Amino acid sequence: GAGVSQSPSNKVTEKGKDVELRCDPISGHTALYWYRQRLGQGLEFLIYFQGNSAPDKSGLPSDRFSAERTGESVSTLTIQRTQQEDSAVYLCASSRAGSNQPQHFGDGTRLSIL
Amino acid sequence: AQSVTQLGSHVSVSEGALVLLRCNYSSSVPPYLFWYVQYPNQGLQLLLKYTSAATLVKGINGFEAEFKKSETSFHLTKPSAHMSDAAEYFCALANQAGTALIFGKGTTLSVSS
Repeated sequence: GAGVSQSPSNKVTEKGKDVELRCDPISGHTALYWYRQRLGQGLEFLIYFQGNSAPDKSGLPSDRFSAERTGESVSTLTIQRTQQEDSAVYLCASSRAGSNQPQHFGDGTRLSIL
Repeated sequence: AQSVTQLGSHVSVSEGALVLLRCNYSSSVPPYLFWYVQYPNQGLQLLLKYTSAATLVKGINGFEAEFKKSETSFHLTKPSAHMSDAAEYFCALANQAGTALIFGKGTTLSVSS
């Protein structure tokens, strides 16, 4: 079946602009996660959605970052007033409910801030 | 606090040699542990997972990992390396709340002929 789909695959934008990243999870996966991967580093957790529960936003680095998800479908991650330190690969993952369930990752969006 | 430590940011082996990638974890609750592989410009692919069943876990592509509670380790092994195994490998621990994975910094595996 289809995996996690992310768009765009690459995004180049000027400092100060807003960007919106999209994630389409695997059908039937109620949990959705966003991570950030900076060059040469591991993954940093950003935000978690589970069904209609309140999201866990504890990983968002600043109030310039926000994310939405309607039900168990598509999610968007928005970064306002982008800064050069926002340059990274943003990865989305989805899973069935439960911390023992493996997360399935998309190929990510590579964001470059000029 | 929960954490994951991967010893060695870079491991080099010859084709056909044993692969050993080290992972140690810290957790006050029984852990759920995962190994992922990342090829260039791709997302992460699950290799295997430990979720409190058998301590020796077999995964895809001939990889396996052994959970050792006494050593708080979950090292990844493969008896014979292939050129196609060259990639970055991440060890991850499910956080206590079940809302995220805590990742190690990754180990880049190079395989030479």
